[in-house]
Amino acid sequence: DGGITQSPKYLFRKEGQNVTLSCEQNLNHDAMYWYRQDPGQGLRLIYYSQIVNDFQKGDIAEGYSVSREKKESFPLTVTSAQKNPTAFYLCASSPDRDQETQYFGPGTRLLVL
Amino acid sequence: QKEVEQDPGPLSVPEGAIVSLNCTYSNSAFQYFMWYRQYSRKGPELLMYTYSSGNKEDGRFTAQVDKSSKYISLFIRDSQPSDSATYLCAMSRPRGSTLGRLYFGRGTQLTVWP
Repeated sequence: DGGITQSPKYLFRKEGQNVTLSCEQNLNHDAMYWYRQDPGQGLRLIYYSQIVNDFQKGDIAEGYSVSREKKESFPLTVTSAQKNPTAFYLCASSPDRDQETQYFGPGTRLLVL
Repeated sequence: QKEVEQDPGPLSVPEGAIVSLNCTYSNSAFQYFMWYRQYSRKGPELLMYTYSSGNKEDGRFTAQVDKSSKYISLFIRDSQPSDSATYLCAMSRPRGSTLGRLYFGRGTQLTVWP
């Protein structure tokens, strides 16, 4: 099956802890994206990557970090500097650097203990 | 002012009704217009995709773009309870100008009751 997988489905973070959300795609897409979704606020772009070993900050990158060592993988780390991390995190990919249609994974819900 | 405005609703209609969902935008450079459907606790799925102005029809769904008014619409005919979801509009600038990022509306929550 081709698609985007995210894990875990639910994640709990303690105060001061860094946590990493996984995103994998087997669609052979070049570009990958991370969004945060809060109730009533739509999707906000955290980071995006157009090619391996390159990524750019989105609108709300503070407190987050990413890496893109492989085409298939784009993990997101929520650091302790992110003071309000509780949200639904969505990963997406698109077929080429300028492709406007994005395909989303099932999401990870992050909760703070 | 946000670049993309969308009324969050909620919108509640009876089964069989025609549903109209809308977004307005401020950036005249937007060329690609999308509608995504998101069921509760799931990732969004691409529903409709339109380039520039005009209409596009796919089954019970019709997407309209009016660039002169900076206004896009999604119509759902013969709505079904399975259409109950949040509908997100999204748009982007021409290819090559901004590395493919999308600008999303807040989403409209739709409930179709039997």
